[in-house]
This record gives sequence, C-alpha cells and structure tokens, in this order.
Amino acid sequence: EVQLVESGGGLVQPGGSLRLSCAASGFTFSSYWMSWVRQAPGKGLEWVANIKQGGSEKYYVDSVKGRFTISRDNAKNSLFLQMNSLRAEDTAVYYCARDNLYGDDAFDIWGQGTMVTVSS
Amino acid sequence: QSVLTQPPSASGTPGQRVTISCSGSSSNIGSNVVNWYHQFPGTAPKLLIYSNNQRPSGVPDRFSGSKSGTSASLAISGLQSEDEADYYCAAWDDSLNAVVFGGGTKLTVL
Repeated sequence: EVQLVESGGGLVQPGGSLRLSCAASGFTFSSYWMSWVRQAPGKGLEWVANIKQGGSEKYYVDSVKGRFTISRDNAKNSLFLQMNSLRAEDTAVYYCARDNLYGDDAFDIWGQGTMVTVSS
Repeated sequence: QSVLTQPPSASGTPGQRVTISCSGSSSNIGSNVVNWYHQFPGTAPKLLIYSNNQRPSGVPDRFSGSKSGTSASLAISGLQSEDEADYYCAAWDDSLNAVVFGGGTKLTVL
C-alpha cells in the first residue's frame, strides 16, 4: 500500500525548534519530488516547501525561508522538515505529500498530518 | 489573502451541476497547470483533478476541470450529498517560485 506517515509534531515554545519526519512506503520514494503542506486551525491549505528527487533543488514559501529546511534520505525512504525560530503563526497540521510524476506539482498521495502547536 | 481567488462558499441541490471558480494571474494559472483537491473534515486533502482537466484513477467523471487564460473552474455534475467538502485549487507560481493555493470553497449540498 502506498503510504506516507508523518511524525514529530507537538507543542513548542515560540523561538523553539522541531523536526518533522515523513516515512514513505509502497512506492519508489527516490523517484518523486516531495512537499510539505500545512493547514492552520480552521484555515486553508498552504504549501511550505518541496524537494527534488535527489535533493539538489529545494523551494520554500517566503514566510519560512531562512527558518525551515526540507531534506530527504532516499536510503531510508524519509522526508524531513527542520523548523527553527518557530512562531505562533506556524501552528498548523503539517502534511507531507508526494508530487505526481507528471511534473505539474499535483500532490497525489498525502499523509495523515502531524500537529505543530507554537505557544508559550 | 490567497494568491488564487476562490468563492468562500458554494451550494447546490442533489442532482444539480455546480461550478467553483479559481482566479489567478499570468505568473500562476496563466502559465502553469491547475490542480484541484477536496478535503473532508478531519481528513487529509485528496487530489481531484490534475493538469487542468485530468482525473486520477478512482475519481468519478462527475468531476471535471477546465482552464482559460488566468482562470480555472471545477464542475461537479449530478451533485451528491457526499460531495459536501472543502475544495481547493492550486498552481505553481513562476514569480514566487512556490505552489500557491486558493483560499478554499466550502460546498454545501442542500
């Protein structure tokens, strides 16, 4: 079964750090671009970052540039999001998502999400 | 304020056809494909339409997408109660170098 499972969310104080992980299974992880997408409570979807198959290209939404780092370990079929200098506005459910193979940034597989709460 | 503009709500009765619009600009919809997602409460989004008008395997042909210039639309025909969900459009933006989403449209089946 094709599956993405996120972990690493939790409660963190403003200014703190958190590292999210996403374990992929059921497909050739190294063949796909991967993304992180977040959703603040009661709000819409916001794309956060993506990473190319080999990790050579990465893109970020402006609001997280310089604070978040996306990475991957293809040998372990895992995607990561290192989040530093966290702010209250980063509070959200974070989903990892697989970009489909057509190169059109369509996310065809999503994880169940992991909640990140930034609060003192 | 989302880069792509969707109506916050839409509604229809069972069997009816409804459309949801998504308006953008030359840097996103005008030069890249549009994808659509739906999301039921408490669950992860699901891909509904990709590359403007393509349906992933398993998506009923009641759902269709189109694009013209800097706007796109999602049409749902033969509306069913289980279609009640939030719908989002998305596209790559060449100026922002980012995927941008619409603010979402809450579809209510009356």
